[in-house]
Amino acid sequence: SQQGEEDPQALSIQEGENATMNCSYKTSINNLQWYRQNSGRGLVHLILIRSNEREKHSGRLRVTLDTSKKSSSLLITASRAADTASYFCATGNTDKLIFGTGTRLQVFP
Amino acid sequence: DAMVIQNPRYQVTQFGKPVTLSCSQTLNHNVMYWYQQKSSQAPKLLFHYYDKDFNNEADTPDNFQSRRPNTSFCFLDIRSPGLGDAAMYLCATSRLGETQYFGPGTRLLVL
Repeated sequence: SQQGEEDPQALSIQEGENATMNCSYKTSINNLQWYRQNSGRGLVHLILIRSNEREKHSGRLRVTLDTSKKSSSLLITASRAADTASYFCATGNTDKLIFGTGTRLQVFP
Repeated sequence: DAMVIQNPRYQVTQFGKPVTLSCSQTLNHNVMYWYQQKSSQAPKLLFHYYDKDFNNEADTPDNFQSRRPNTSFCFLDIRSPGLGDAAMYLCATSRLGETQYFGPGTRLLVL
């Protein structure tokens, strides 16, 4: 079964609002990654957080990791219409990634 | 620009007719991956190469094969496509244990 489960499955917000997506996983990890996928396109790597890190920032993105709860969250601040995409968390060790179910984010102008 | 390239972007094939999808990279990464992604689902790893070593996922059907003739190229062969094989096929590359970089994908339609 898939390692990560994400919620919500779908999220619709207005431009300028913040978007929060959550990911839960089942087994211990070395790191957790977040990817974005625009419709019909490949995946783009956003950010990687290691198991010994609790929070990481990259531009408008903020990722948290709680290994005791086996969960992570991705926060996109001040969202833009261009942020419309599906977002996947992925866990894995060395060469094997297992993706979560994804959150479809729609940002309305 | 260094990148992962997939050809073709769209592929239409007939039920049972063999098809080959292509992936090339200019990143000089030693690991190359093939994923299958069905509509509204997460990508699912089919197999990967670490250099010339082939690693097949346990639940990848025998219908799916792969070749990696050199560092830059990797092919996905579907020997007898069925309707259930219609999907987006994603190629990715990485250095071992590091971030994976994805190509734009090939959307396969089986008639």
